[in-house]
Amino acid sequence: DAKTTQPPSMDCAEGRAANLPCNHSTISGNEYVYWYRQIHSQGPQYIIHGLKNNETNEMASLIITEDRKSSTLILPHATLRDTAVYYCIVRVGWGGATNKLIFGTGTLLAVQP
Amino acid sequence: SAVISQKPSRDICQRGTSLTIQCQVDSQVTMMFWYRQQPGQSLTLIATANQGSEATYESGFVIDKFPISRPNLTFSTLTVSNMSPEDSSIYLCSVARQDNEQFFGPGTRLTVL
Repeated sequence: DAKTTQPPSMDCAEGRAANLPCNHSTISGNEYVYWYRQIHSQGPQYIIHGLKNNETNEMASLIITEDRKSSTLILPHATLRDTAVYYCIVRVGWGGATNKLIFGTGTLLAVQP
Repeated sequence: SAVISQKPSRDICQRGTSLTIQCQVDSQVTMMFWYRQQPGQSLTLIATANQGSEATYESGFVIDKFPISRPNLTFSTLTVSNMSPEDSSIYLCSVARQDNEQFFGPGTRLTVL
């Protein structure tokens, strides 16, 4: 079973920041938080991942709470092309007992013009 | 990022037949995964395929139905055997790297009549 909880859907105005929450209250110390998105009819696209520090790349920022029980993915300036299903996944790092990604139901982000 | 290609991109098959899906990666990877995405659903992991060992199947998936080959570090195949309309799905190949990133192919859209 997926170990994360996400809202089923969210709306965001174009040009504004999109903040997507994720709860992972049972996360273990060696598990990373990963974010992927899937645009309609395409394979999932990697966005970002982190262990306990906040992370930023060219696509997004990942904010992980100090207790690591929740996180937020931030798309700083959402565009219509960011409309997709966003998946938050926890997984052990390389070399762990299992490296598989288990997908939950995700959040459908609809960016409105 | 790893570049992953899948063949065929889509197919329409008759029930009772089998289809073999190919996954090619542009670099050597240890871990490869096969996922299924049924219409309107999230991704479900079928099996993990590591080179030099038997594939490891998730609960609900068996080798007789979904045989997998992994002859080298850049290639894998998934066969969907004795197909029925319930096997109509998108099948996705995925690879994991030691830097903890995981990438997905574009998927194979299968329709079984």
